[in-house]
Amino acid sequence: SYDLSQPPSVSVSPRQTASITCSGDKLGDKYVSWYQQKPGQSPVLVIFQDNERPSGIPERFSGSNTGNTATLTISGTQAMDEADYYCQAWDSYTVVFGGGTKLTVL
Amino acid sequence: QVHLVQSGAEVKKPGASVKVSCKASGYTFTTYPIHWVRQAPGQRLEWMGWINAGNGNTKCSQKFHGRVIITRDTSASTAYMDVSSLRSEDTAVYYCARVGPDSAFDIWGQGTMVIVSS
Repeated sequence: SYDLSQPPSVSVSPRQTASITCSGDKLGDKYVSWYQQKPGQSPVLVIFQDNERPSGIPERFSGSNTGNTATLTISGTQAMDEADYYCQAWDSYTVVFGGGTKLTVL
Repeated sequence: QVHLVQSGAEVKKPGASVKVSCKASGYTFTTYPIHWVRQAPGQRLEWMGWINAGNGNTKCSQKFHGRVIITRDTSASTAYMDVSSLRSEDTAVYYCARVGPDSAFDIWGQGTMVIVSS
């Protein structure tokens, strides 16, 4: 089965840039979405189709996907961005989620 | 406003079954598929399966094949997920989510906590 790997944790200082990676075999051939989940809340879509932002998501969230790695980038990170982030891709009409990355804003 | 509203928390004994509902509003229910995703305490999101709300076709993760049944009632704009033969490892928050026009999970339900305990 297809597998997506994420680092368990990433730390960033306020106003700096955070990068969260998601790795999978030939991931660049698939569309990747990213979800933000805060404690006790449902996930929220922040990036779809590799680099598109839904309405209402701040411009500081961006994405890329090439080769075997997709990256979620948060520019000018704010304290409110502290959360778990999950990447997601499709594999033959089934859904795969990454293991999640806890972003800590120090 | 587009919403998915799920049924309330459940406590079940091992071996029992649970049925969770997910009522859609604010859009034409049959247009987009509904997926089910669960999250055990402190764990990752785990995809379980989906239903084409239009024609009722379903697909489940191999992990749950045979224990999970996903249905829908178009007249009620509601999707359902039945999980049978519950065990303690099934204790989790169960989410329904819509896959929108951009093939991403754009709308999520509030989650339903299912506790399996003797």
